[in-house]
Amino acid sequence: QSALTQPRSVSGSPGQSVTISCTGTSNDVGNYNYVSWYQQYPDKAPKLMIYDVTKRPSGVPDRFSGSKSGNTASLTISGLQAEDEADYYCCSYAGSPLFGTGTKVTVL
Amino acid sequence: EVQLVESGGGLVKPGGSLRLSCAASGFPFSTYFMNWVRQAPGKGLEWVSSISGSGNYIYYADSVKGRFTISRDNAKNSLYLQMHSLRAEDTAVYYCASEYCSGGTCYTWTFDYWGQGTRVTVSS
Repeated sequence: QSALTQPRSVSGSPGQSVTISCTGTSNDVGNYNYVSWYQQYPDKAPKLMIYDVTKRPSGVPDRFSGSKSGNTASLTISGLQAEDEADYYCCSYAGSPLFGTGTKVTVL
Repeated sequence: EVQLVESGGGLVKPGGSLRLSCAASGFPFSTYFMNWVRQAPGKGLEWVSSISGSGNYIYYADSVKGRFTISRDNAKNSLYLQMHSLRAEDTAVYYCASEYCSGGTCYTWTFDYWGQGTRVTVSS
């Protein structure tokens, strides 16, 4: 299995919205509603931000939202803040967990 | 407070072995699916292995199958990863991570609590 495809980087100004795509196939993203998203700061452990495509764990700001269409899942960060600058990884069930390639979000 | 603390990483020669440990506290460890996820230097996350709360269900990534063994000791609230026949491509930070549980429902393939990671370097 190849990693799910994410853009290497996305950027936005404070207050703007950015969307990170996560493209898989009909064997993973397209077949299961088990997509999760993780935020990772440099040299830190990842943090769960979204699970089951659209659900937010307690404590995650509601400006983080998830969606899916066909074989592509997306994470949208609305009202971008400086603290959102981090790496983001998607993960889909595909018979086993399959992570995305990761996206660096830069706040301009 | 939930804590996952990994240990056992280090420098090992190709073909060598290493045993990683993860000490858990602050949550009902014996009821949680537990996982190992690794991250090679400058690279993305890669799922390695998972084990059910009872230890009856075990899963491995193809890249480690036959070389790595996951296990747990619920009496000691500890998770382990025995690694044999190590290769340069196994060089990574290894994280233990629990499944996510909320409102009485657990999501097996979603990773919630994470440790700080332990670094494994395979080099001659």
